[in-house]
Amino acid sequence: AQSVTQPDIHITVSEGASLELRCNYSYGATPYLFWYVQSPGQGLQLLLKYFSGDTLVQGIKGFEAEFKRSQSSFNLRKPSVHWSDAAEYFCAVGVRAGNNRKLIWGLGTSLAVNP
Amino acid sequence: NAGVTQTPKFQVLKTGQSMTLQCAQDMNHEYMSWYRQDPGMGLRLIHYSVGAGITDQGEVPNGYNVSRSTTEDFPLRLLSAAPSQTSVYFCASSLGKQETQYFGPGTRLLVL
Repeated sequence: AQSVTQPDIHITVSEGASLELRCNYSYGATPYLFWYVQSPGQGLQLLLKYFSGDTLVQGIKGFEAEFKRSQSSFNLRKPSVHWSDAAEYFCAVGVRAGNNRKLIWGLGTSLAVNP
Repeated sequence: NAGVTQTPKFQVLKTGQSMTLQCAQDMNHEYMSWYRQDPGMGLRLIHYSVGAGITDQGEVPNGYNVSRSTTEDFPLRLLSAAPSQTSVYFCASSLGKQETQYFGPGTRLLVL
């Protein structure tokens, strides 16, 4: 079955530390891949996406993600976290469904940043 | 551009009441969708539309109706509210079904 797993429900890091949020998917082909961020009380905002080409993609706010086909992963990274990065992060995967396509969402990872 | 707007921001309903959550976008996007977000369950697709006059069900459509008479508007109707519909509702739009989705700020709904 097609699925998206974000193994970490909650992560706490110190400001200035590096960050990696994990995303694994189950799908028989190469999907479209997205990372969204949701600040408290806000809607979701796209951080970055991968459709094809270079497997290392750069996004907004200093985030990057790497698609690893062999591991079915699309992990999100940031070298130095800022307090304003505290938010909920969602991985989403676009897969083919019959003649159509659909988005499958992970359950999210909540990030807390210690000063 | 205002992007995606949703009204109201907050609403309290009694069981059995009906209401319409409004969603509008000014980006000329063909694809619009409604999600509900509940703790521990992530985002779940309620209904979506691939263009004016065309709507389809998502994974949790029961208890909700939609219509798409114009490209800009995509209202979500709760016919007879139930406590299980207490949630945060997000409207989103995109150029295509798997293009970048732009989300509204959400409507927090409490059904008593």
